[in-house]
Parts: sequence; C-alpha cells; structure tokens
Amino acid sequence: GAGVSQSPSNKVTEKGKDVELRCDPISGHTALYWYRQSLGQGLEFLIYFQGNSAPDKSGLPSDRFSAERTGGSVSTLTIQRTQQEDSAVYLCASSRGPDYGFTFGSGTRLTVV
Amino acid sequence: AQKITQTQPGMFVQEKEAVTLDCTYDTSDQSYGLFWYKQPSSGEMIFLIYQGSYDEQNATEGRYSLNFQKARKSANLVISASQLGDSAMYFCAMREANTDKLIFGTGTRLQVFP
Repeated sequence: GAGVSQSPSNKVTEKGKDVELRCDPISGHTALYWYRQSLGQGLEFLIYFQGNSAPDKSGLPSDRFSAERTGGSVSTLTIQRTQQEDSAVYLCASSRGPDYGFTFGSGTRLTVV
Repeated sequence: AQKITQTQPGMFVQEKEAVTLDCTYDTSDQSYGLFWYKQPSSGEMIFLIYQGSYDEQNATEGRYSLNFQKARKSANLVISASQLGDSAMYFCAMREANTDKLIFGTGTRLQVFP
C-alpha cells in the first residue's frame, strides 16, 4: 500500500483481556518498528524487525508483550492480560534503509478499562 | 547507551519569524543518523529532515534546516518563516548504525501565534 496501515485505530478492552494490534508496512520496507506513546509523552521503543534477522525485543516492557512478523511483512503486537498502564497509542513504522526516514502508521489508541 | 535530550518542553514563535528547536545527543558510535519528526494534534508522525553523522553539509528541506554541530553533539532544527500550521510537537531522534534502533527525545511543543 501507499502508507503504513494499522488496525484497529481504536481499541477499548477490559483489564485482563488479551489484545492484538496489526501493522501492515509499506511494501518493500524491510525494517518494521513498534513504539508506544503515552498521553503527552515521547515515543518509547518496543521492538524492531529487520528482514529475517532475530528481532530486537529490548524495549518490550514485560513478558506480557510479544510481537511477530509473518513473511517479512505484516506484524502483530500482542498484549496479554492487559493492565491500565498499557493504555497508550501504539505506533508502527517501517523503513527501507538506514539513511531513510521512518514512515509511521496512524497508530492504534488502546484504552484499558 | 544512546540518548536524545530536548530541553525545551514548549516554545512560542510569531508567524513569519524563525525558530530553533534544540536537540543534543549522546552516543559512542561514530556512525549514526539524526532525524526530526513533526507530530500535529492529529497524532500522525511526519518525517521532516535527516542528517547523517558523516554529512559535511547541514541538511535542508524547504523551510527546515538542521544546524549540525558534531563536536558539541547537537542537531538543532531551524524553522524559517514560521506558519500557523507549524504548531505541533517536534521530536528529535537518533539511530546508531550498529543497532538500527531509532530513539526519540521527549519532544518540544511549538506554538505559532499570529
């Protein structure tokens, strides 16, 4: 597609439920990133995929968070047993190389009630 | 570990004036890239400008320019002839070549007034 597509755009879930957030990067972009942005805050790195290499998971805040990228394209971020502090906007970005800017999706606003 | 610092939580500028948004960084790597992004109230992240650590010239993109001072580890964004539509959050970010991870600063909220 023309841009990075994220779904759903909004998600309200009950505390303790699992959620899945989807990211469809720009075709041909080998790098894919997930970030979290809490209200009024900066972007917190979560996880990074590059081609077929093992992902950099160093930013995942707990073992309740996991992500996968199938076929080097679509990625899913899963949060298990959601907590209220997980409420944030989850942004996905893709890039075609080290000297290029990242293209961000419009994000998924997650609200845990 | 790499770190990005934006010391200005908020800035005001009058329309048509120039404004400088500060960014300093810390890295032990020799090869890295510096980015600026704009985030309007709509929430989208818009890429503005990129500077490579080995680039000798300061990057420019239209009204945006990056004042890159490598020895001081600063990469300030200069917006010339501010417009009302420039009102947004601005984030400085850095990527080290060896990690490829993009780390963001805490942002500066710019407000342009008539």
